Amino acid sequence: DAGVTQSPTHLIKTRGQQVTLRCSPKSGHDTVSWYQQALGQGPQFIFQYYEEEERQRGNFPDRFSGHQFPNYSSELNVNALLLGDSALYLCASSSGLAGEQYFGPGTRLTVT
Amino acid sequence: EDQVTQSPEALRLQEGESSSLNCSYTVSGLRGLFWYRQDPGKGPEFLFTLYSAGEEKEKERLKATLTKKESFLHITAPKPEDSATYLCAVQARSGGKLIFGQGTELSVKP
Repeated sequence: DAGVTQSPTHLIKTRGQQVTLRCSPKSGHDTVSWYQQALGQGPQFIFQYYEEEERQRGNFPDRFSGHQFPNYSSELNVNALLLGDSALYLCASSSGLAGEQYFGPGTRLTVT
Repeated sequence: EDQVTQSPEALRLQEGESSSLNCSYTVSGLRGLFWYRQDPGKGPEFLFTLYSAGEEKEKERLKATLTKKESFLHITAPKPEDSATYLCAVQARSGGKLIFGQGTELSVKP
């Protein structure tokens, strides 16, 4: 049973560039949530996708956007990267909006 | 405002020395409280979900309990492989997002 997968594992970008991160949910799950985790902090909620629509959004600027595809996989896009966007980006999947969330291994983004 | 506070920030134990981690929360209508384990550089690993005050869950050397204001993660006779950061999160009835505490970094020395 495949768990949540994310790609790429690591990414280095320059300030001002754009980045796309990808997530495939655990088998049987239809909902994807994205979180940002700074070093030494707990994950912070970015947004949640269900039925290809953004259902809930955290306190993040419009530079952060996402998409969910018919096969339930998802992308996180960040435009105009800032140094402060450097973090571990986590994807979690669940069965339904309120189901238990299972996390992927994360994508480590470094902005220089 | 919904909020989660974990204590202590760091805990150092000797192998076999039992202890507890605390998670205090404020949420407008609790749907569930979740405990995760996170190893350095990896994603959080799901441990437990608790839904109502008085509920308890156990897994190997770990036991999680829930009251109306806080949750405890009890670690009995820990081993070095239990070393990790333990994260607590709450989910309100209003939506699916998880609100996390900052975590407790546990180190167990042989």
